[in-house]
Amino acid sequence: QVQLQESGPGLVKPSETLSLTCTVSGGSVTSGSHYWSWIRQPPGKGLEWIGFIYYSGTTKYNPSLRSRVTISVATSKNQFSLKVTSVTAADTAVYHCARIVDETNVFDIWGQGTTVTVSS
Amino acid sequence: QSALTQPASVSGSPGQSITISCTGTSSDVGGYNFVSWYQHHPGKAPELMIYGVSDRPSGVSNRFSGSKSGNTASLTISGLQADDEADYFCSSYTSSTTWVFGGGTKLTVL
Repeated sequence: QVQLQESGPGLVKPSETLSLTCTVSGGSVTSGSHYWSWIRQPPGKGLEWIGFIYYSGTTKYNPSLRSRVTISVATSKNQFSLKVTSVTAADTAVYHCARIVDETNVFDIWGQGTTVTVSS
Repeated sequence: QSALTQPASVSGSPGQSITISCTGTSSDVGGYNFVSWYQHHPGKAPELMIYGVSDRPSGVSNRFSGSKSGNTASLTISGLQADDEADYFCSSYTSSTTWVFGGGTKLTVL
């Protein structure tokens, strides 16, 4: 059974870089049938798709965040990561990693999420 | 404001049926059969309940069903049970090759 677990600092200062990692267990990030995604939910708001990565390194980002976001994959560690630069309070959110099934464009497996607060 | 519109809350008594709507545009919900629904108990990982508008993953109760008409998708839960109480949100693939989500609906089982 595939499981995803997010990890990273819970507090980031304004203007700094937010960095999170998602560890995949019970499966492989090199699966050719899946993409690996990040999604966030600010307090009191709906979910926002951030972007995805394929094991080959191909990425796609939400246009609203593209200039500040980088998603990378570490196949040897079975992990993928998120970096968001120049953070502000608006980046405070619960961040989830999730797996996308290629043919159905559905997020079939999610991590439980990690809360990141941007504050000095 | 979320890209897809859902009611903030719905409620029903045990055994009853409820329906949650998810309204988008012709560029997402109306344009593709890639609408999915998720159950989310806060603090836990969201669980996929419906994908492809109306398909159920293995292991999901047939009390959960999905449909779509035009730009609005719907999730129906029949035979409400106490442990159905959770947040539910919808998602759709879009013409921009991105994904959008609804704001979420809190289901209360009375």
